[in-house]
Amino acid sequence: AQSVSQHNHHVILSEAASLELGCNYSYGGTVNLFWYVQYPGQHLQLLLKYFSGDPLVKGIKGFEAEFIKSKFSFNLRKPSVQWSDTAEYFCAVITTGGGNKLTFGTGTQLKVEL
Amino acid sequence: DTAVSQTPKYLVTQMGNDKSIKCEQNLGHDTMYWYKQDSKKFLKIMFSYNNKELIINETVPNRFSPKSPDKAHLNLHINSLELGDSAVYFCASSQERGSPQYFGPGTRLLVL
Repeated sequence: AQSVSQHNHHVILSEAASLELGCNYSYGGTVNLFWYVQYPGQHLQLLLKYFSGDPLVKGIKGFEAEFIKSKFSFNLRKPSVQWSDTAEYFCAVITTGGGNKLTFGTGTQLKVEL
Repeated sequence: DTAVSQTPKYLVTQMGNDKSIKCEQNLGHDTMYWYKQDSKKFLKIMFSYNNKELIINETVPNRFSPKSPDKAHLNLHINSLELGDSAVYFCASSQERGSPQYFGPGTRLLVL
């Protein structure tokens, strides 16, 4: 069965700092990869997705992620964070053999300080 | 218009009661899901329906029973509620298998 690990559970940054959140998955076949964001008290929103093609994908709000197949990684990046980026970030994967089951990582709580 | 909606938003109830959560999507998607988010924010899929047919049924107590009257609705009924059922339950939908899933606002269930 596939699994997803997010190495950073809590990240605290100052505004304008650069962000990189790690995500690794374990599955040897074809994957669809996602990052979701959950703002305090709100539902999950899709930030970006990777299905195929260019491994560097751009999402909403200035976020991007890079798929590195050899490292089974899909790290999320943003060059300059804002206070409004404070939220929980979830990496997720769907595998071709997984019956469309979206497997989530444990999440990373990002706090951006003014 | 809300794409994926859930009712109620909050649900506080006593142990042993039976309760239902409703979900509706107006995106025209074929597949719908129920997820449970625990107190540590971990999200885990419970069920998935495709065109009213159950396709994913994770290891969930049989006190939980999903029902899909049509492909735009997926309801979750919970019998004999237990303290451990307290969580946030999210409904989601997707166009087809493998495509992005869009989540509802969540139902915060508290069992006393």
